[in-house]
Amino acid sequence: ELKVEQNPLFLSMQEGKNYTIYCNYSTTSDRLYWYRQDPGKSLESLFVLLSNGAVKQEGRLMASLDTKARLSTLHITAAVHDLSATYFCAVDPRDTDKLIFGTGTRLQVFP
Amino acid sequence: DTEVTQTPKHLVMGMTNKKSLKCEQHMGHRAMYWYKQKAKKPPELMFVYSYEKLSINESVPSRFSPECPNSSLLNLHLHALQPEDSALYLCASSQEDRGLTEAFFGQGTRLTVV
Repeated sequence: ELKVEQNPLFLSMQEGKNYTIYCNYSTTSDRLYWYRQDPGKSLESLFVLLSNGAVKQEGRLMASLDTKARLSTLHITAAVHDLSATYFCAVDPRDTDKLIFGTGTRLQVFP
Repeated sequence: DTEVTQTPKHLVMGMTNKKSLKCEQHMGHRAMYWYKQKAKKPPELMFVYSYEKLSINESVPSRFSPECPNSSLLNLHLHALQPEDSALYLCASSQEDRGLTEAFFGQGTRLTVV
């Protein structure tokens, strides 16, 4: 059974600090996606990682992918309150049309 | 334009009612998805349509019936639902070009079964 696990599930961090969210998955896949979800809202696409070693950055967020280790990271630099949301990674297993979401990481940034 | 439109935004229905959720995209995407999301949980895949044909059914109960009338529209017909089916139902679409499955999501329909 495909598992996509995120660590931590909940993260409370102070503004200005750095932290990393981890996404581990159990199947063969060359592609991984990161989404953001605000409370009561839909999912917003953040990053598309398409190959081993891919790194993407947008503002204070940077995502990377290691397909050999089946691991992706989402690094937060100098957190601000506006980053408070739930972050999901998602994997599409090779040769399927599926997009399977990780367990989610709820991020709260406080002053 | 990366818009996926879902209607209605909110729906309250009784256990004996029949209702439908609608989803529309005009991005020329060839794959469309239905997800169910309970509070504080990740979205769970229900159905995938590829080129207007059902390609994946994740063992969803028959009280949920998907339909893809054309490449831009996706419906989810609901009948005899249970209170535990109350959730946020999300529609998504993706281009699926060269295996790229970046999905764009609609705003969702918040369903309450009473």
